[in-house]
Amino acid sequence: DTEVTQTPKHLVMGMTNKKSLKCEQHMGHRAMYWYKQKAKKPPELMFVYSYEKLSINESVPSRFSPECPNSSLLNLHLHALQPEDSALYLCASSQTLTSGSTDTQYFGPGTRLTVL
Amino acid sequence: AQTVTQSQPEMSVQEAETVTLSCTYDTSESDYYLFWYKQPPSRQMILVIRQEAYKQQNATENRFSVNFQKAAKSFSLKISDSQLGDAAMYFCAYRQAGTALIFGKGTTLSVSS
Repeated sequence: DTEVTQTPKHLVMGMTNKKSLKCEQHMGHRAMYWYKQKAKKPPELMFVYSYEKLSINESVPSRFSPECPNSSLLNLHLHALQPEDSALYLCASSQTLTSGSTDTQYFGPGTRLTVL
Repeated sequence: AQTVTQSQPEMSVQEAETVTLSCTYDTSESDYYLFWYKQPPSRQMILVIRQEAYKQQNATENRFSVNFQKAAKSFSLKISDSQLGDAAMYFCAYRQAGTALIFGKGTTLSVSS
């Protein structure tokens, strides 16, 4: 089973709202990722967690706050977003962050976020 | 820094025909992995095929195969017997130890009957 689940599928929020995106995997993966994807563009890396610790932060604005409560769960907390933050937010996981034959990242279906 | 280049923004193919999507990359590393991902309009990013750089043999998954030329830093995807369900955006991606995927800009493939 290579399933990564994300909730909600769609989210509409105002610029003053606080909301959270959720990602879950039960493959025993110890690396989890958040990407932002605009239409017809490749995903842009935001954050990487390795063994529940933040390993990579691609200079993302503080209005995005990631959290990894346990090895299966990854959250992205959103606050005071701007309209330009509207995008598809993808979660992914892999066995580890380091090299190996199990280095494949598996993606969730994404959350379509609209900021009004 | 590593880069991935897909020089074909759009490609088209007829059903049952064969199409090849191009990808080149730049790296000074010797140990890395290359991937092709497919993203249909429904948006789920799906792994199509992967290649370990240390393997000389080209990877194959059913109708999908790659032509991996390590010296030329080229990694093309061949889709045989194209089907309507193959229509999607295809991303070539690179990964090395300790990093996340680096994506190319993508190639939109349309399939006509």
